[in-house]
Order: sequence, then C-alpha cells, then structure tokens
Amino acid sequence: NAGVTQTPKFRVLKTGQSMTLLCAQDMNHEYMYWYRQDPGMGLRLIHYSVGEGTTAKGEVPDGYNVSRLKKQNFLLGLESAAPSQTSVYFCASSRGSAGNTIYFGEGSWLTVV
Amino acid sequence: GENVEQHPSTLSVQEGDSAVIKCTYSDSASNYFPWYKQELGKGPQLIIDIRSNVGEKKDQRIAVTLNKTAKHFSLHITETQPEDSAVYFCAARSVDNTDKLIFGTGTRLQVFP
Repeated sequence: NAGVTQTPKFRVLKTGQSMTLLCAQDMNHEYMYWYRQDPGMGLRLIHYSVGEGTTAKGEVPDGYNVSRLKKQNFLLGLESAAPSQTSVYFCASSRGSAGNTIYFGEGSWLTVV
Repeated sequence: GENVEQHPSTLSVQEGDSAVIKCTYSDSASNYFPWYKQELGKGPQLIIDIRSNVGEKKDQRIAVTLNKTAKHFSLHITETQPEDSAVYFCAARSVDNTDKLIFGTGTRLQVFP
C-alpha cells in the first residue's frame, strides 16, 4: 500500500517553462488536493477535487491548473513557471470532505530560476 | 473566511519536559481541528484531532484541548523525546462554501537530549 505518491521529487525549471506534477493515490479516496508549503506560511491549498472529473480553486490558484481524469490521479500544471512558484508541493487525499483524515505525499521540491 | 494563527513558531525543550503549542481560529462555526506532524523531508501526518463537541482528547503522551468560547485549541506533548522533534501544524475546518482545512504556519519543535 503506497498511499500517496508524487513525481518528480525534485525539479529545477527556468522561468517561463512548463511542467506537470503527478500525484497518484491507491486508497480509493474521493477527494484530492494540491498544497504548497513556503517558509513561515504553512500549507496553502492551491486546487482540490471532490471526485473524478471535478476540480475547484483553493486559496492560491493563480498560475496553476489541475486535472482529475481518473479517480486515482491528480495532476498539477504550471503553464509558465515564475520564481514565485519556487516551493515544496504536496499532494494529498481524503476519503471525504475536510472532516476526514488527509493523507499527504512526501512532497515535490520545485525551484524556478 | 477562516484564519488560523499558531504560536510559537519555534520551541526548544529538554527531553522529558512538556511542550505546548497554541492555535486560534476566527470562524466560530468551525467544527474540526486536526494536528499534523511533519518530519524532515516528509509530508505531514495526522497525529491527533478533536471535534467541536469535545473539550479534550488524549492519546498516550499527546493531548489536544479545545476552548470554543475563546476560539483556541492547543497541543500538549508530555515527557518529550528526541523523536518528537518535527514541525507541527494545527488546522481548522472552514465550513464556508468550500469546506477545506486552513492550516497554521507551523511550529518547529526541537527536543534536546
């Protein structure tokens, strides 16, 4: 049982480049999330999904897009990376709404130069 | 919307001492308050949670208290051990139209042997 798996773990991008972070969960969870973690700012929700084929904006959605084509996968895209998007990104999933335990992946370290 | 403040940002204790981390929230309708522990290089992991119909909850050396009137909740770790060293995040469930967790900014706990 792998839980929540993120790829890649580390990536360096040049300003303006695009990339996709991949997230997979094997717990049959309905809800999936993408957070970013920055020093002194805690975990901030970028986008989330309440089920296959659905997506919704979180607290800091600008500059990111997401897709949930399959229940087990949640993709986070950066269309034109900016230095302000240098961060640690966490994917997470939960069985249901925010009153349920959220399970996090191990993080993806992204640097935009 | 919900706002969560967490204090202190860093906390150093001697092994065997107790540690207390405090959080305040703004939305009196919030009803779920989890605590997550993040070890170095890992994703956050739920360690304990409390719902608004309970004032205190314990799990071995960890306890959480909730004061709904004052809108604050606290994490108490007794008999601290070096393996308790980590970053701890509190969170509150936002019950507006988005139903998501709002995280505090984190507390880095160091337990010195």
